[in-house]
Amino acid sequence: GNSVTQMEGPVTLSEEAFLTINCTYTATGYPSLFWYVQYPGEGLQLLLKATKADDKGSNKGFEATYRKETTSFHLEKGSVQVSDSAVYFCALPMTGRRALTFGSGTRLQVQP
Amino acid sequence: DSGVTQTPKHLITATGQRVTLRCSPRSGDLSVYWYQQSLDQGLQFLIQYYNGEERAKGNILERFSAQQFPDLHSELNLSSLELGDSALYFCASSPDRDSNTEAFFGQGTRLTVV
Repeated sequence: GNSVTQMEGPVTLSEEAFLTINCTYTATGYPSLFWYVQYPGEGLQLLLKATKADDKGSNKGFEATYRKETTSFHLEKGSVQVSDSAVYFCALPMTGRRALTFGSGTRLQVQP
Repeated sequence: DSGVTQTPKHLITATGQRVTLRCSPRSGDLSVYWYQQSLDQGLQFLIQYYNGEERAKGNILERFSAQQFPDLHSELNLSSLELGDSALYFCASSPDRDSNTEAFFGQGTRLTVV
């Protein structure tokens, strides 16, 4: 069935550093792809999404491009801030689109 | 604020007991999803309801059950609790039957079984 694999964390960066969090997927067809973020003590919230191949999702300086050739949806940000410290989850619909399946999450810690 | 409300926020109970977690979806959303988040298992899909009917089951134990009521709120019942059931339980909602669109998550109920 559909699944995602994302890079292990934690990732520790200094403020203003460049961020990449890798996500690769296995899917039947071309489902939408999502990045969710979970700040400490909170639920998950959608960060960005892409609905078809070559789409680029973007929000709050974060970007991810839906690449069907490499089955990837890597999350990038050019200059991270301390406030970006959170856990990031890559997700896509399960086979049959009954619910989202999530990667294992990558914890990002940004130091001043 | 996602518009999804979960109660209670925290719950501490003893092994063998039964608890009920409640979720009110966003206004107008017909789908409700339940997820369990634990350190060793990550975020696991438990069950989905759509407009009162069970639509999909994930890794839900037989000791767990859920329902969605006519007003679309949902309850997750956990019985014969074990230490390993300690986790964060999230409810999410979406307007659609299928999951190809965004799901909105509540802040979760943290269950501690002692």
